[in-house]
Amino acid sequence: EAQVTQNPRYLITVTGKKLTVTCSQNMNHEYMSWYRQDPGLGLRQIYYSMNVEVTDKGDVPEGYKVSRKEKRNFPLILESPSPNQTSLYFCASSPRPQRVMQFFGPGTRLTVL
Amino acid sequence: EDKVVQSPLSLVVHEGDTVTLNCSYEVTNFRSLLWYKQEKKAPTFLFMLTSSGIEKKSGRLSSILDKKELFSILNITATQTGDSAIYLCAVEAVAQDAGGTSYGKLTFGQGTILTVHP
Repeated sequence: EAQVTQNPRYLITVTGKKLTVTCSQNMNHEYMSWYRQDPGLGLRQIYYSMNVEVTDKGDVPEGYKVSRKEKRNFPLILESPSPNQTSLYFCASSPRPQRVMQFFGPGTRLTVL
Repeated sequence: EDKVVQSPLSLVVHEGDTVTLNCSYEVTNFRSLLWYKQEKKAPTFLFMLTSSGIEKKSGRLSSILDKKELFSILNITATQTGDSAIYLCAVEAVAQDAGGTSYGKLTFGQGTILTVHP
């Protein structure tokens, strides 16, 4: 089944403790992206990647890092999480950068205390 | 800065009612407008609109785009409780990364929370 998977689905952590949210797609898509969703703000793009080893900042990249060592995986790294990063995170993918994001992962609900 | 505004933010109706959700936008290098439905999980794609005046239809859902007035509407007729969800509007613009490669950048609206009561 074609899908985007994320792990973990739920995470409660404390300020400053490094964490990684994994994202994987099995559709050989080139274009992947991370979004965060907050009430009243819709989805905002954090980082995106056009292909392996090609990443760039989205609209709200502060406090996040990403890597794209393999085509299928696009992890989101919070080196020192803070409470304002409490949010619902979505990974998404698309066949290529010129095609819109149509495949979203199930979401990761992160709470930073 | 690209901007997408949805209205209303929240809507409560009874089964059988017809609803109209609105999305207005201001973006540079517009390419398309998309509607997504989000239940208690990831957004799922509904429609992509690129041309003015052409209605897209899927069952009881339909949508139309006006590129002159910069808005779109999503209509749902004969609503059912299963239509309860957040409806997201997003506008795709053509952007370029630092290396000059073009890609589709999505800007989302805040979403409309639709609740359909039996």
